[in-house]
This record gives sequence, structure tokens and C-alpha cells, in this order.
Amino acid sequence: KNEVEQSPQNLTAQEGEFITINCSYSVGISALHWLQQHPGGGIVSLFMLSSGKKKHGRLIATINIQEKHSSLHITASHPRDSAVYICAVPHSGGGADGLTFGKGTHLIIQP
Amino acid sequence: GAVVSQHPSWVICKSGTSVKIECRSLDFQATTMFWYRQFPKQSLMLMATSNEGSKATYEQGVEKDKFLINHASLTLSTLTVTSAHPEDSSFYICSAQGLAGVDTQYFGPGTRLTVL
Repeated sequence: KNEVEQSPQNLTAQEGEFITINCSYSVGISALHWLQQHPGGGIVSLFMLSSGKKKHGRLIATINIQEKHSSLHITASHPRDSAVYICAVPHSGGGADGLTFGKGTHLIIQP
Repeated sequence: GAVVSQHPSWVICKSGTSVKIECRSLDFQATTMFWYRQFPKQSLMLMATSNEGSKATYEQGVEKDKFLINHASLTLSTLTVTSAHPEDSSFYICSAQGLAGVDTQYFGPGTRLTVL
């Protein structure tokens, strides 16, 4: 079973700062997910990536398959980015698995 | 993009009653649906994997007789919490995996269950 470690657990930053959230996992995977969860609980899928780098607006996700590590970056952070960011990987590594989730990074961006 | 809905979005029930939660893929067919739950201030945990037309596979520690899962069609899976107790109060989220790619999972908005 895959295990996921995320850091930091909590992060408070000023508006405009560059944010980095890290994720490490234990079992080789087909793809890694970055998710965003707002206080109401709803989950938004930000990225699914299996190699390299993806960019969507101010969000960038990278993954190093060999090192079993991924990072989520937020450029020019804004208070509306405040949320919990969660890294998730397939339970047993394969594509048809349910996901194992990290504990999340609680991000607060202050104006 | 693919949309997954859940109904109800929240429910309050008395201890001992049963509650059914629906998960629907609105614009795609989902061969597999997953059910997760999240207790306050904890991470999401996989409860079970539901494949259309077959019995669900439950994770260790999840009681199959308490959490009944039915995946009767390629667009609908239901989770029934039977004889609910206050300790079942949680946030339940489903995700659906489309035919297009096994790695892609689309999440529902979640259902908050409170058992009094």
C-alpha cells in the first residue's frame, strides 16, 4: 500500500509570495493527483500527472518518478488560493486503484 | 469537463436509521466508482471500490454489511449507511473513473452526514 507524506502541514504567506508544497510517496505509480479542498469540503482536481511538469494558470505541478516526489507551486499567490492542498496517489500504484491521500497542506494567503 | 454529482449534499438523521447517498457521473460512463470518507481534521480514506455489475471491494476495516454499495449502471453508484450511529458522522465523497483513461478520477462534491 502506498504511503504519502506531504509538507508543510500548515503554511501562511503574504499575498504575492511564491508557494511550494511537497509530496513524497513510497510505491511507484502510474499518476499522481493534486487536489484542492475548500472549507465546505468539496474537492477540486487540480492536476493529474505521470511525468514532467504541468501548468494551469498560476499553478505548476512537477513530478520526479525516480525520486517518488512531486511539488505543487503557486506563483503570485492570492488570498483566494487559501485552501487545503492534497496530494494523492493510487493505493497500490496502479491506474485502476482508489487513491491514498496525504494529510494535506493548509495554506493561508494573507492580503 | 466530466461532472460527478452527489445527492444529498448534506443529511441529518437519527441513530439507527439508514441513509442512502447517490453518486452520478453526468456526462460520461464510469466503469469504476470509489467511495471515500473524511473525518474532521483527517485525510480522506478509501472505503471501497465499486465496479458496475459486480460486488464492491471494501478496504480493511470497512464493514461491508454496514456500508452497502450498489453500482447498478455505468452512471450511478449508491452508498447506503445502514443503522447509522453518531460515529458514522463524516464527509463522504465519491469519485468516478471514466472509460477514457483509468488514471482519471473525477470527484463528486461530497455528502456531509450527521447522525444524532
